[in-house]
Amino acid sequence: GQQVMQIPQYQHVQEGEDFTTYCNSSTTLSNIQWYKQRPGGHPVFLIQLVKSGEVKKQKRLTFQFGEAKKNSSLHITATQTTDVGTYFCAGSDAGGTSYGKLTFGQGTILTVHP
Amino acid sequence: ETGVTQSPTHLIKTRGQQVTLRCSSQSGHNTVSWYQQALGQGPQFIFQYYREEENGRGNFPPRFSGLQFPNYSSELNVNALELDDSALYLCASSPTGNTEAFFGQGTRLTVV
Repeated sequence: GQQVMQIPQYQHVQEGEDFTTYCNSSTTLSNIQWYKQRPGGHPVFLIQLVKSGEVKKQKRLTFQFGEAKKNSSLHITATQTTDVGTYFCAGSDAGGTSYGKLTFGQGTILTVHP
Repeated sequence: ETGVTQSPTHLIKTRGQQVTLRCSSQSGHNTVSWYQQALGQGPQFIFQYYREEENGRGNFPPRFSGLQFPNYSSELNVNALELDDSALYLCASSPTGNTEAFFGQGTRLTVV
């Protein structure tokens, strides 16, 4: 079945440093979504990428979808303590029969030291 | 807040028992998906309901079952609970089957 891998598993940064997490799927995706989960909380939708090579920005966050629609990245510029949490990518399988089924990566836990 | 509400927020059950978890979807959303999130892991897809019909299932045994009601709220039922069923159970609603998922706060199930 479809697998989504995310690296790194953990990332510790000093406030002000940049952060990047990478996501790779074993199959071509119809779209990829990114979520943030604070400790003790639930996943909160950040963005959805649909087109091959798509790049979207949200303030200090930049999201990219690979040309082959099998990988994606999230980059945060100048991290702040409010960025702390676990960042998940989640993909929908382009060839799948479960419309809307999301396969999540294992997440990257971001810690920001003030 | 997403408008998706789940109940209860926490639950402790004994191995072998049965449990029902409930979810009220966001207004206007006709698709509800259920996920299991073990500690330190990403959410795993259990199944999805669209207009009261199961619309896809993940790799979970038949003792995991569900329902969706005419008002699009949903239930997740788990029979014969096992210790490994201890997890955060998340409900997510969507206006269609392939757009962003709006998650509820989850039900933390502990099986002892």
